[in-house]
Amino acid sequence: NAGVTQTPKFQVLKTGQSMTLQCAQDMNHEYMSWYRQDPGMGLRLIHYSVGAGITDQGEVPNGYNVSRSTTEDFPLRLLSAAPSQTSVYFCASSWDRAGNSPLPFGNGTRLTVT
Amino acid sequence: DQQVKQNSPSLSVQEGRISILNCDYTNSMFDYFLWYKKYPAEGPTFLISISSIKDKNEDGRFTVFLNKSAKHLSLHIVPSQPGDSAVYFCAASSPGNEKLTFGTGTRLTIIP
Repeated sequence: NAGVTQTPKFQVLKTGQSMTLQCAQDMNHEYMSWYRQDPGMGLRLIHYSVGAGITDQGEVPNGYNVSRSTTEDFPLRLLSAAPSQTSVYFCASSWDRAGNSPLPFGNGTRLTVT
Repeated sequence: DQQVKQNSPSLSVQEGRISILNCDYTNSMFDYFLWYKKYPAEGPTFLISISSIKDKNEDGRFTVFLNKSAKHLSLHIVPSQPGDSAVYFCAASSPGNEKLTFGTGTRLTIIP
C-alpha cells in the first residue's frame, strides 16, 4: 500500500513547454485533488475529482487541465508553462469528499519554469 | 480574501514547554477544521481535526480548541519535542464544499 504517489519529484521547464504531473493512489479513493503551495499563500486547490470521469475546477484552475479516466490516476497537465506556475504541487486523495475527511497528500512535485 | 489566517509566520518554543499555534477564520459557514504538519520535502500530514459541534478535541500530546464566537482555533502541543519542528497549516471546510481552505502556515521550531 503505497498511498499517494507523485512523479516526478522535481522538474524544470522552459516557458511554453508542456508537461504532465502524475498522481496515483492505491487506496481505492473516489476523491482526488491537486493543490499548489506558494510562499505566503498556503495551499490552494487547482482541480479536483469526485470519481472516474468527473472533474471540477478549484480555486486556481487557469493554465491547468485534468482528467480522471481511472479511480487510481489523476494527472495534472500544464499545456504551456508560465513562470507563474513555478510552485510545489501536491496531490491528495480521500475516501470521502474533501470537506468531510482528512486528506493524505503525496510528497509533492517541485516545478520551476524559467 | 484570506478566509483562514495564521498570523504568526514563525514560533520558537523550548523543548518540554507548551506550543500554541493559532488560526483565525472569517467564513461562518466553516464547520470542520483540521491541522496539518509539514516537514521539508514532504507532503502535509494530517494531525488532528475538530467539528464545529465540539469545542475541544484531544489526541495524545495534541489538543485543538475551537472558539466559534471568536472564529478562532488553536493547536496546543504539550510537551513540545524536537520532532515537532515543522510547518503547521490549519484548514477548514464548509458543508457540501469540495475543498479545504488552508491558512498560510506557521513554522514551529523547538529549541533543545
